[in-house]
Amino acid sequence: DAGVIQSPRHEVTEMGQEVTLRCKPISGHDYLFWYRQTMMRGLELLIYFNNNVPIDDSGMPEDRFSAKMPNASFSTLKIQPSEPRDSAVYFCASSEPQETQYFGPGTRLLVL
Amino acid sequence: KQEVTQIPAALSVPEGENLVLNCSFTDSAIYNLQWFRQDPGKGLTSLLLIQSSQREQTSGRLNASLDKSSGRSTLYIAASQPGDSATYLCAVDNDMRFGAGTRLTVKP
Repeated sequence: DAGVIQSPRHEVTEMGQEVTLRCKPISGHDYLFWYRQTMMRGLELLIYFNNNVPIDDSGMPEDRFSAKMPNASFSTLKIQPSEPRDSAVYFCASSEPQETQYFGPGTRLLVL
Repeated sequence: KQEVTQIPAALSVPEGENLVLNCSFTDSAIYNLQWFRQDPGKGLTSLLLIQSSQREQTSGRLNASLDKSSGRSTLYIAASQPGDSATYLCAVDNDMRFGAGTRLTVKP
């Protein structure tokens, strides 16, 4: 397996624009996680899915953030409208139940 | 709300030294605890996963212990090498709360 795949790897956008981050989990993994990492706040869990169903979205910072998982092999994290304070590295990870999480390489987002 | 703390924030050691990284958590009702490594500009790589029923896990030069009653975990690295230089993070798996990490530098 190629591991968790994220795209794009880098995104630069202007404030107010819509941003969509994409993730393909490892095949067969039931859980998918979205994280955000910043220098100030460290690594934070935003939302996670089990069998394509959102289980806990309490980490999603605002209504501007939304995540979907239309099928077992694809998830998106959308920010609309984006703001400079959303600049961070966004990671996707997947796992089997109670097993090791495998992280993607991350998407580095810069909102100007 | 689970709080995860890692001490020290940064550590610099000469090559060959044995070292211990610490992780503490406030709620002992955990499912498991994981240790990760993060290289600059990269994602996280899982090192060890300790289930709540276990006391320790070993992989090569790494040994992680878990004491739920005291809310502590340690990551022991034996015979450190420059390639071990990275940030090490622990995460408590109930809601995947991460510590801030320990940035380790191993000097040749």
